[in-house]
Order: sequence, then structure tokens, then C-alpha cells
Amino acid sequence: AQSVTQPDIHITVSEGASLELRCNYSYGATPYLFWYVQSPGQGLQLLLKYFSGDTLVQGIKGFEAEFKRSQSSFNLRKPSVHWSDAAEYFCAVGGNNDMRFGAGTRLTVKP
Amino acid sequence: NAGVMQNPRHLVRRRGQEARLRCSPMKGHSHVYWYRQLPEEGLKFMVYLQKENIIDESGMPKERFSAEFPKEGPSILRIQQVVRGDSAAYFCASSPRGIEVGSGNTIYFGEGSWLTVV
Repeated sequence: AQSVTQPDIHITVSEGASLELRCNYSYGATPYLFWYVQSPGQGLQLLLKYFSGDTLVQGIKGFEAEFKRSQSSFNLRKPSVHWSDAAEYFCAVGGNNDMRFGAGTRLTVKP
Repeated sequence: NAGVMQNPRHLVRRRGQEARLRCSPMKGHSHVYWYRQLPEEGLKFMVYLQKENIIDESGMPKERFSAEFPKEGPSILRIQQVVRGDSAAYFCASSPRGIEVGSGNTIYFGEGSWLTVV
């Protein structure tokens, strides 16, 4: 069965610092992977997705993620965090007619 | 092109009442997914529907919860005899076809319906 693990429940970084949010997945076939962001009281916005090809994918708002098959990981990165990035981030893995989410990582940005 | 529309955005129900959450998929989308987000937890898959068919309801609680996606009109998630533990955000998503690996297909989320049971 497919599953997603986000090891960090809560991360705090200073504004301007770099960010990496971890995501590990378990899937029996070729996965396709997503990162979503959810601001308080808001819906989900797609940041980026990976289906195939280049393992480093660029998303919106300056985010990128790298697919590493050997580590079953799809970590999200941003070189310089802005205060507006404070939100909940969800990693998801999808297969045929299905999508499963991690428990989310809450990002707090310190001034 | 309107996105996935959910209503109501916020719903308050007393214990024992019924809650009905509606989801209108994006135009041209015939596949609908419902997810529940409990406080401090991630998104949990509940059910996947196509028009007039339930494809996968493996994430639905066995009692009190039901979902439908009629030929005409929105998809409905119905919770009977609500309890405090049902308080959560319920998200609907839609896609034009079933998600197939490599298809480049993506599901699109609504803004959610927040249910509070008092």
C-alpha cells in the first residue's frame, strides 16, 4: 500500500534562511509526487509535482523538490524563506485513481 | 473557468444532527474525491466517485457517512447523527479523468468545508 511520511511535524526557520521539508514515500510502482501548501483556513494549493523526467522540479513561489528514488524521498526546498511562506505543507503520492497525503509539516517563520 | 466549489464553507451542527457538504467539480471533470483533515492531522482519503458510481470508499467510516455524485448536480458528502469527533475540514477534489500514472493528470482541490459539531 502506498504511504507518505513527513518526519517533521513543526519546523521554525528565520526569514531569509534556507528551508528543507522532508518527505518519504512507500509505493510499489512508479510514483508520482506532489507538494501542496495550505494557509490557515484555506484550501490546498499545488506547489509542484513530479511525474517523470528531470528529478529536480521547480514549482511556484520559488520552491523546488528533488526526487531521489534510491532514498524514496521527495524533499521540498527553498533557498530563502519569506514570512508569507508560513503555512502547512503536505507531501502526497499518487497512483492510479488514488492520492495519499502525509500528515503535514507546519512551517513557522521567525522575523 | 471556475475551480472546485465547496459549500458551505463553514457549518455548525449540534450533536445528532445531519451535515451535508456539497462539492461542484471543475467544469468537464467527472471524477470527485473527498478528503478529511482532522485537527493536527494530515489529509485522509475518504471516497472516490465518478458520476453515479462509487469507485473506492475504503476511507469512509462504516457508519453514518455516505457520499454520492449524481448524474446532475454536485457531489454530496452526508454525515448523519454527527458527533464531536466529526469536527474537521472536509476537502473535495476533482479531475477530468481518473488519475493514471504518467498521464500528467492532476486533481484540483476546493477550499474546503469546515464542520464544527457543538
